[in-house]
Amino acid sequence: QKEVEQNSGPLSVPEGAIASLNCTYSDRGSQSFFWYRQYSGKSPELIMFIYSNGDKEDGRFTAQLNKASQYVSLLIRDSQPSDSATYLCAATNAGNMLTFGGGTRLMVKP
Amino acid sequence: DVKVTQSSRYLVKRTGEKVFLECVQDMDHENMFWYRQDPGLGLRLIYFSYDVKMKEKGDIPEGYSVSREKKERFSLILESASTNQTSMYLCASTPGQQFGQYFGPGTRLTVT
Repeated sequence: QKEVEQNSGPLSVPEGAIASLNCTYSDRGSQSFFWYRQYSGKSPELIMFIYSNGDKEDGRFTAQLNKASQYVSLLIRDSQPSDSATYLCAATNAGNMLTFGGGTRLMVKP
Repeated sequence: DVKVTQSSRYLVKRTGEKVFLECVQDMDHENMFWYRQDPGLGLRLIYFSYDVKMKEKGDIPEGYSVSREKKERFSLILESASTNQTSMYLCASTPGQQFGQYFGPGTRLTVT
């Protein structure tokens, strides 16, 4: 069973801090990686994708990929209370299907 | 912007009823998906479709069927609703998995 694993949290950070969300995947054939944000009672929203090793920045968000370690992370700088949500990591597998992790709940405290 | 719409945000049905959940996307995506999401169980794939009139079973297809008569529309059917089908149902579409999936707003279905 190809899996994407995340710590369910909650991860609690103070407002203004950097939130670091982590994800590991088991399928070495995975090529594309995604981060979704899901507010309570809402549907997942795609916020970042990364295909290559290294960092990819978009505003306050940075996605990091290390294929050798099978590790993906999302950094949120200057965290705001509005960033409080569940963050889902997803990866394509060798069959080109998307596998989702269980999500990490982030709480940003004012 | 990608727009995926679902026919209802909230739905209450009785056990044994036939339930139709409809999903429409306006971006000419070939690939469409139906998931259910339950606390502690994450997103679970019910069915997906790569083309008109084509359907494939996901991880939990039992008790469900789907229909895709037009490219933009993908319907999920509960032939005889049961209480264990109470859940949040999410539709998604994508032009290709390498681009990620785009989700509709979801339908919270309660079966009593």
